[in-house]
Amino acid sequence: EAQVTQNPRYLITVTGKKLTVTCSQNMNHEYMSWYRQDPGLGLRQIYYSMNVEVTDKGDVPEGYKVSRKEKRNFPLILESPSPNQTSLYFCASSEDQPSYNEQFFGPGTRLTVL
Amino acid sequence: DQQVKQNSPSLSVQEGRISILNCDYTNSMFDYFLWYKKYPAEGPTFLISISSIKDKNEDGRFTVFLNKSAKHLSLHIVPSQPGDSAVYFCAAIGGSYIPTFGRGTSLIVHP
Repeated sequence: EAQVTQNPRYLITVTGKKLTVTCSQNMNHEYMSWYRQDPGLGLRQIYYSMNVEVTDKGDVPEGYKVSRKEKRNFPLILESPSPNQTSLYFCASSEDQPSYNEQFFGPGTRLTVL
Repeated sequence: DQQVKQNSPSLSVQEGRISILNCDYTNSMFDYFLWYKKYPAEGPTFLISISSIKDKNEDGRFTVFLNKSAKHLSLHIVPSQPGDSAVYFCAAIGGSYIPTFGRGTSLIVHP
């Protein structure tokens, strides 16, 4: 089954404790990205990757890191999480850039930073 | 400043009737538009899209209309079904690879 998986689905942590949210896709997609969704706001892109070893900032990259060492994986790293990073996070992938390709989203990771 | 606006946070419709969800944008560089549907505890799923060279795209019960001069697009669902109850996001893409999403409209279809 074609899918995007994220782990963990739920995470409660404390300020400053480094964490990683994993994302994996099995569709051989070139493009992957991370979004956050906050109450009353739409999805905002954090980082995206056009291909292996190619990543770039989205609209809200501050406080986040990503890596793309393999085509299928695109982990999101919070080196020193803060309460304002409490949010719902979605990973997404598409065959190519999202301009003409639908994105497939993972189920989401609900992160709470205390 | 919001570049993609969905001014109605919620919409309630009777089953069998038409649902019309609206989206306005400000950036004239946007040339591709998409609608995503999201159920609770799930990720968004792609619904339908339209290129700026068209003014209408249809897929079954779903039709998207684009009015470039008004910078307005709308999603029509006919007939509406209870399973259509979800949050609908409008998204726009321009010269960059970064889609801009609206805040979403929660659609409730009553049986």
